[in-house]
Order: sequence, then C-alpha cells, then structure tokens
Amino acid sequence: QSALTQPPSASGSPGQSVTISCTGSYTDVGAYNSVSWYQQHPGKAPKLMIFEVTKRPSGVPDRFSGSRSGNTASLTVSGLQADDEADYYCSSYAGSNNFALVFGGGTKLTVL
Amino acid sequence: QVQLQQWGAGLLKPSETLSLTCAIYGGSFIDYYWSWIRQSPGKGLDWIGQINHSGSTNYNPSLKSRVIIAVDSSKNQFSLKLTSVTAADTAIYYCATLDKRHYYFDFWGQGTLVTVSS
Repeated sequence: QSALTQPPSASGSPGQSVTISCTGSYTDVGAYNSVSWYQQHPGKAPKLMIFEVTKRPSGVPDRFSGSRSGNTASLTVSGLQADDEADYYCSSYAGSNNFALVFGGGTKLTVL
Repeated sequence: QVQLQQWGAGLLKPSETLSLTCAIYGGSFIDYYWSWIRQSPGKGLDWIGQINHSGSTNYNPSLKSRVIIAVDSSKNQFSLKLTSVTAADTAIYYCATLDKRHYYFDFWGQGTLVTVSS
C-alpha cells in the first residue's frame, strides 16, 4: 500500500483558519469511513484529533474539523492558536485484500 | 480511560532482535486491537502491525518477515519483536490501541527510542 500524500507545510496567523489535505485513492481514503487525524507536538506521542472522517474525540476543541471529498480528506483548524503549531498526520484503512493501514507523510503547521 | 506504558532495550547492534513490551492499564483486551507504530528520526509514522485478544495478527507487508507481535493476557501486556535489525530500523516505537471498527489509534504509549548502531 502507498503512503497518503500531505503537503509538507502549512501556516496561518492566530485567529485564521488553515486546511490540510490528505490525498489517497479509491482503495483507501475514498473507500472507507476510516480516516483519522493525529496531532504531534515535538517530543510527544501523537494525539487523536479526528476519527471516522469527521468525528472528534471528547476533549478535542470544535475548532478542529474533518471532511472528505472523493479520495481527499481534509483537516481544518479554525481560530488558530499558538498551541496548534505541531505536526499533523492523516491515516486510513487500506485493506482491500489484506488488512492494511497507511499514514500520510505529515504536515508541519506553523502559527505565524 | 486506557493508559499504555512501554519499555525495552534502546540500543541494539545490527542483526540483533528488537524487543519491546507494552502494559495496558484501564482497558480490556477484548475492546481493542493492540498495535505497534514506529517513527524514524524526523520522519512520518509507519504502521507495524497489531494483535487482538485471541492472538490473531496483521502485519505491514514490508516488515512481515521479521515481525512478531504477541499478547500475554495474564499480565495485561503485549509485545513486539523485530529480528535482524539494521540502521534503517532506528526509530521511536509506539504502542497504541486500534479501534476495531473504524481503525483509529486512540490511546498511545509514551514511545521508546531504539537505535541500531555497531
């Protein structure tokens, strides 16, 4: 299975909105409601931010939202705050014949 | 709320076997798949594989020939072994829970840096 494609970087000023894309194919992102997003601060373990394409775990601010169009999923961060500066990774189930999970390469979000 | 605590050797020589263990607190073995993920220095995340409560496993095809994931339900622990390591296996290794229906990693261990060097 191939890794999902994310832009290496994204940026925005405090209070603005930023959208990060995650492009896959009809065998992963476009096929299953199993897209998730993770936030990772330096030196820390990843943290689940979005699951099942659009759902937020308890405790994740509603400034974070997920969506999908075709084979591309997106994470939107609204009302940017300094603490949102982190790496963001998408993931999708990709197991058409055998169980498989794939991640995107990650996007470094900078709050200007 | 599940908590995961992991440990294992942090420095290996090429050809040795990587061995890590993850202890589960606050969760039932039946509720999740129990997974391993790694992150090479400065790189992204890679799924290694997972196991369920009955011992059924799935592995990343790129690592399948060298990976063994096992569970010890009596100790509430699961483990990762990766044989014949090389410098390319240098990474931070994470254990995590994997949701059984929609395949997201909701709880993570703290990570263990494993360095392979002669």
